This record gives sequence, structure tokens and C-alpha cells, in this order.
Amino acid sequence: AQSVAQPEDQVNVAEGNPLTVKCTYSVSGNPYLFWYVQYPNRGLQFLLKYITGDNLVKGSYGFEAEFNKSQTSFHLKKPSALVSDSALYFCAVRASLSGGSYIPTFGRGTSLIVHP
Amino acid sequence: DSGVTQTPKHLITATGQRVTLRCSPRSGDLSVYWYQQSLDQGLQFLIQYYNGEERAKGNILERFSAQQFPDLHSELNLSSLELGDSALYFCASSAHSSGANVLTFGAGSRLTVL
Repeated sequence: AQSVAQPEDQVNVAEGNPLTVKCTYSVSGNPYLFWYVQYPNRGLQFLLKYITGDNLVKGSYGFEAEFNKSQTSFHLKKPSALVSDSALYFCAVRASLSGGSYIPTFGRGTSLIVHP
Repeated sequence: DSGVTQTPKHLITATGQRVTLRCSPRSGDLSVYWYQQSLDQGLQFLIQYYNGEERAKGNILERFSAQQFPDLHSELNLSSLELGDSALYFCASSAHSSGANVLTFGAGSRLTVL
């Protein structure tokens, strides 16, 4: 079965420091990987995706993610964290279902807390 | 505003009741997805429609059903409600159904079953 795992329920970082939110995946075939962010009382918002090409993907709000095939990882990174980055972050992978359809399957989410 | 509209935003009801959640996708999007978000289960895929037809089914209970209408809006019907159905229900839309598309999410409908 195709899935993603986010090993940390919560990540704490000081404002101005670099941040990393971890994601590992398990898929058969080429992975399609995504990061979304959820602010309080809001729906999820797309940050970035990897389909093919460069392993370093740049996205919204200064975020980037590095695809590592050998480690089956797709960690989200930002060089300098802002308090406003505090939110719930979801990694997702395109997963196949019976019947040949594909849908995004989400990890359980990681709460990022940026301290002033 | 993401362009995906969900109503109602909040709903409080009793066990055994039936509710309907409504979703209008972003203009031009043909595919609608329903997800359930709860603290213990995370974000669970329920069902997907594409241009009026059911395309994929996830962990959707038999008490739940959905449809997509000719104008592309979708409704999720939840019946014989149980306490455990209390959750945030999200609708998302995308242009196509390949799974590589970016999803645009609505703000969600928070269901509380008492």
C-alpha cells in the first residue's frame, strides 16, 4: 500500500532558525509527492509538489522540499522560520486505489510551532 | 478565499440524525473529493467524483453517501449519526482526476454529534 509517514507530531523552532518537517513515503513506481499547510480554522493550502525533475522543489512562502529517492524522503525545509509559519503541515502522496484510480493520501500531520 | 465553498460551517446534531454537507468546487474544476479530519484518524479520504460520476472510494461508511450534480456541486449525506462521526469534513476540488493535480480545499464543515 502506498503511504506517507510524518514521524514527528510536533516540531519546535525559534524564529530565524532553519526548520525541517520530515516525511517519508512508501510507493510502488514513481512517487508524486505534495506538501500542504493548514492554518487554524482553515482548509489545507498547497505549498509545493514533486512529480519529476530537480530533487529540490521550491514552493510558496519560502518553503522548499528535497526529494531523496534512496532514503524515500521528502522533507520540508525553510532557511529562516517566521512565527507566522506556525501551523499544521501535511505531506501527501498520490496513491492508487483498486480500479486504477489515484487519490492523494495524507500523512497525519506535523504541528510546527515557531517561538518568537 | 480558496474558491471552494462549503456549507454549513458548523453543525450540531444528535445521534441517529441525518445531515447533508454541501460543496461548490472552484470554478472550472471537475473533480470533487471528500475528506474527514479527526484527531485520532487524521485526514481520511472518503470519496471522489469526477464530472458527475463516482471515481474513487475510500474508507466511507455505508451510512454515508455522496453525489455530484450536473452543476458540479456535491453533497455528502451522513445518516444514523454516531458520536464518533464528529469531525471536520473537507471538500476539495481539482481540475482533473489524475491524482497528480493540486487539490484546493474548502474551509470545512465542523460536525458535532451529541
